[in-house]
Amino acid sequence: DIQMTQSPSSLSASVGDRVTITCRASQNISNYLNWYQQKPGKAPYLMISAASTLESGVPSRFSGSGSGADFTLSIGSLQPEDSATYYCQQSYSLRAFGQGTKVEI
Amino acid sequence: QLQLQESGSGLVKPSKTLSLTCAVAGDSVSSEGYSWNWVRQPPGKGLEWIGCISHTGSTYYNPSLKSRVTISVDKSMNQFSLRLTSVTAADTAVYYCAREGGFRYGRGDGMDVWGQGTTVTVSS
Repeated sequence: DIQMTQSPSSLSASVGDRVTITCRASQNISNYLNWYQQKPGKAPYLMISAASTLESGVPSRFSGSGSGADFTLSIGSLQPEDSATYYCQQSYSLRAFGQGTKVEI
Repeated sequence: QLQLQESGSGLVKPSKTLSLTCAVAGDSVSSEGYSWNWVRQPPGKGLEWIGCISHTGSTYYNPSLKSRVTISVDKSMNQFSLRLTSVTAADTAVYYCAREGGFRYGRGDGMDVWGQGTTVTVSS
């Protein structure tokens, strides 16, 4: 089974800050890595697929990078509406989510 | 526009079977290139992938749940279903159905459409 490990588990930042979340897979998953944003009481929302492809409608301040086993999600200039929990997820073999990173502003 | 809607029993007794259905509107569960997924989220915790079924009917399950899970599709009703047997309090969660695009050879491109989720409580 492929395990996904995110860090940090939570962070607090200010409006305008640049924020980076990391995700590590327990084995090589090529670029089969997706990022989701989830707000309280809502379903997750796909932000980035294939490690770096921004989904339609997602602000350009969000970016993803990485391949193999190490990946990052960056928010270039944090906005109040970015307060949420972010999950990475591998879609290389079966599926698995990271434990989530709560971003507070 | 594709919409997914979960339905089923909101309260299940311990040791019984949890059954949920996801109705698909705006697309066909037989459309090539997609898988249809179940994901759950216990209260205050993270997301757990349960399993999925492809447009060909192939199923893939989380190894930790595999012995208790069955996912099936009803093409005539354009819906897919989840059965989870021998439930315990640990199965209490919000259950989501979701579509995954770019499905090929067991790999995919992320779950781009989600249902609103349905809360299932396991309690006597």
